[in-house]
Amino acid sequence: AQSVTQLDSQVPVFEEAPVELRCNYSSSVSVYLFWYVQYPNQGLQLLLKYLSGSTLVKGINGFEAEFNKSQTSFHLRKPSVHISDTAEYFCAVSDPGFQKLVFGTGTRLLVSP
Amino acid sequence: EPEVTQTPSHQVTQMGQEVILRCVPISNHLYFYWYRQILGQKVEFLVSFYNNEISEKSEIFDDQFSVERPDGSNFTLKIRSTKLEDSAMYFCASSVRANTEAFFGQGTRLTVV
Repeated sequence: AQSVTQLDSQVPVFEEAPVELRCNYSSSVSVYLFWYVQYPNQGLQLLLKYLSGSTLVKGINGFEAEFNKSQTSFHLRKPSVHISDTAEYFCAVSDPGFQKLVFGTGTRLLVSP
Repeated sequence: EPEVTQTPSHQVTQMGQEVILRCVPISNHLYFYWYRQILGQKVEFLVSFYNNEISEKSEIFDDQFSVERPDGSNFTLKIRSTKLEDSAMYFCASSVRANTEAFFGQGTRLTVV
């Protein structure tokens, strides 16, 4: 069975600082990987996805993630965060049959001035 | 930009009552999903629906749950006899086909009292 581990429940960071949100997954088959963002009182919005090809994936709002198969990781990064990036970030995995997403527990990013 | 819409945004119901949560997926999408997020916990898959039938369901999706696409635009989740532990945010999602990303609605917060 697939699973996702997000090691940090909360990450505080100052505005304009870089940030990395960690995600590790386990799966016995090849996977598709996703990062979703949930702003307060809103739904889930896709930030970026890895399906195949280049292991460095660029998403919206300046975020990027790198798929590392040997370390089974898909960490999310941003070189300079803004106050508006304060939100909950969810890593998710699916198999190529893609009937469902398995989510991690989420990481709350808190950006302060 | 097309989006998944869910109604109502918040529903309060008494234990034992039936509730129907409604969703309008993106119009050209063929795969539909329900997920739920109990407060403070991870987002969990409930069911996927394609070609007018359930294609996959989780162990959470027991006999008290049902889904339906009553017409060409709506996708509903019915909970027959609600329990306190059904209180959660319920997300509808859709995708144009398998192996593509799912787009999520804003969610319906269900409170069972």
